[in-house]
Amino acid sequence: EAGVAQSPRYKIIEKRQSVAFWCNPISGHATLYWYQQILGQGPKLLIQFQNNGVVDDSQLPKDRFSAERLKGVDSTLKIQPAKLEDSAVYLCASSLRLADLTDTQYFGPGTRLTVL
Amino acid sequence: AQKITQTQPGMFVQEKEAVTLDCTYDTSDPSYGLFWYKQPSSGEMIFLIYQGSYDQQNATEGRYSLNFQKARKSANLVISASQLGDSAMYFCAMRERTPLVFGKGTRLSVIA
Repeated sequence: EAGVAQSPRYKIIEKRQSVAFWCNPISGHATLYWYQQILGQGPKLLIQFQNNGVVDDSQLPKDRFSAERLKGVDSTLKIQPAKLEDSAVYLCASSLRLADLTDTQYFGPGTRLTVL
Repeated sequence: AQKITQTQPGMFVQEKEAVTLDCTYDTSDPSYGLFWYKQPSSGEMIFLIYQGSYDQQNATEGRYSLNFQKARKSANLVISASQLGDSAMYFCAMRERTPLVFGKGTRLSVIA
């Protein structure tokens, strides 16, 4: 079974530029998550989707971050304009179902973003 | 208030020895799930083990076991027979009726 795919793996941009990350979840997984992991910390949830609907985006900085999951499969996370503090690893995860405490999230390899 | 506390920023263990990574959590919800993930230097978060709040027995998965002490609100990860490939960051996480919340992690280094 193929895992969660993410691209690009690495991205370097200058502040005020825009950037987009792509995620393809495990086949059949209804729920998709985007996390931000700053160096030395655990991942922090940015947004979660159930199929193509947003379940929780309370921690997404909506003035600069946006995400979509068209057709309930692939997802794109965009930052525009980027700030220095956005330098982090952006992790995508997917799971079978949301409303279940045992629901395990499986993560992709992440995209390491550096903002100069 | 911090939901997940991992008090050990770094740990060293000799190859083939067992090691315990500490995790305490804070919740007033009787239903919750506890997870441990491994993050090697490559960056991917790898699921290791799960413990539900109503599970009567401690979870085990191969060389990984979870020492679940509900009254103390602790969910320590035990790795038996450590291998060089176990060197990584380890994160404890909890889910209530909310998104998964992670601790700050413990860096484990296995010494030959």
